Amino acid sequence: SQQGEEDPQALSIQEGENATMNCSYKTSINNLQWYRQNSGRGLVHLILIRSNEREKHSGRLRVTLDTSKKSSSLLITASRAADTASYFCATAYASGNTPLVFGKGTRLSVIA
Amino acid sequence: EPEVTQTPSHQVTQMGQEVILRCVPISNHLYFYWYRQILGQKVEFLVSFYNNEISEKSEIFDDQFSVERPDGSNFTLKIRSTKLEDSAMYFCASSDYWNTEAFFGQGTRLTVV
Repeated sequence: SQQGEEDPQALSIQEGENATMNCSYKTSINNLQWYRQNSGRGLVHLILIRSNEREKHSGRLRVTLDTSKKSSSLLITASRAADTASYFCATAYASGNTPLVFGKGTRLSVIA
Repeated sequence: EPEVTQTPSHQVTQMGQEVILRCVPISNHLYFYWYRQILGQKVEFLVSFYNNEISEKSEIFDDQFSVERPDGSNFTLKIRSTKLEDSAMYFCASSDYWNTEAFFGQGTRLTVV
């Protein structure tokens, strides 16, 4: 399976703390994307990092990519209760026409 | 901000019935997708559509499924004879290029009884 895998599966933190989620994948990628999903809703694109990039920031989000380890991490700093959601990584593989492959997600709970 | 819209938000259907799920992608996007998510599980790719034809499809997308872009704005997913295991959230998405930022609709929750 080319599916990316996030860990942890679930994460519970206090408001104000940082949350780190990790994603591992199997083969060469063009880019890796992170999405957020509130319960029962659609996915919202957060950030895209290309294979030649190592780090990217967007507001309180920081994404890193280590292609040698085939892994990425998403850091949410100074978390808020409103950050409570599931977070998915999606890999755009370099080979052929493979569509975006989503991992199983990390369920983040931020407790006020 | 442009958005992808899906209708209906919830559909209940009898096993064996046909359903059509509708989507209006973002107007200047070139690639359209259907994904599904069984409750609490991963998001699974079904099919992609480009230049008025299917570009990729998964093993899930068997002969019971079909997609159409009938009028240049709507994008539909038809399931001919629904099974209980088709119960899931179905998401439509669109992007301007292949495998770049995808914009997702809010989903249609399909319940097959």
